[in-house]
Amino acid sequence: SAVISQKPSRDICQRGTSLTIQCQVDSQVTMMFWYRQQPGQSLTLIATANQGSEATYESGFVIDKFPISRPNLTFSTLTVSNMSPEDSSIYLCSVLLFNEKLFFGSGTQLSVL
Amino acid sequence: SQKIEQNSEALNIQEGKTATLTCNYTNYSPAYLQWYRQDPGRGPVFLLLIRENEKEKRKERLKVTFDTTLKQSLFHITASQPADSATYLCALDSSASKIIFGSGTRLSIRP
Repeated sequence: SAVISQKPSRDICQRGTSLTIQCQVDSQVTMMFWYRQQPGQSLTLIATANQGSEATYESGFVIDKFPISRPNLTFSTLTVSNMSPEDSSIYLCSVLLFNEKLFFGSGTQLSVL
Repeated sequence: SQKIEQNSEALNIQEGKTATLTCNYTNYSPAYLQWYRQDPGRGPVFLLLIRENEKEKRKERLKVTFDTTLKQSLFHITASQPADSATYLCALDSSASKIIFGSGTRLSIRP
C-alpha cells in the first residue's frame, strides 16, 4: 500500500480566491489522480496528474480552473481557481498501485463562502 | 456513455444478517470491478477486486460476485456488525488506467 498525505485537511475560502491542495506519497508512483466528491455524491475524476507533462483532464474540467502540477513521482498539487460556492466539495488525491488498486488520501474539505 | 448504478442509496439491516449491495453497469466491459468502503470524512478504502473471468471472490466476511452477462456485481457482508456501517462504492476500470465510481450505498447495521 501507500501512505498519502494531503493538506490542508479543510479550508474555508472566500469566493474569487484560489486554494492549492498538496498531495505527498511515501513512495514513487506512476499514476496519480485527483477526484472531487460533492456533498452526498460519489467520486468524480477531475484529472490524471502526469509527471513531467500537462495533466489529462476529464470532460467538464479545464486546466484554467483546476491547474495541476506533478514535478516528481511522489508529489502533486491541485489548485482550485477563482472559487465559487459550487466548488465546495471534498477533493481527494489518489494513486494507482499494482495497476489496479486505488489508494486515497484523507481528502480536503473545501467550503467556499 | 459508461454508467455505474448502485441501486440502493441506503440500506438498513439488523446486526447478524447478511447485507447485499448491488452494482450494475452499462456501455462497458470492464476487465475488473472493485468495491471500496468510505467512512465519513475519510477517503475510500479498497476492499476487493474481481476480474471479468472470475465469478466469485471472498475475503473474510465479504463476498463479491461478478456476472458479465447481466453486467452486475453483488457485494455481500455476512454476519453484519454495527462496525460495518459505512458507504460502499462500486468501481470499475475505464480507459487508460482510470477508475470510475458508482454513487454508493450507505449501509447502516442496527444492533
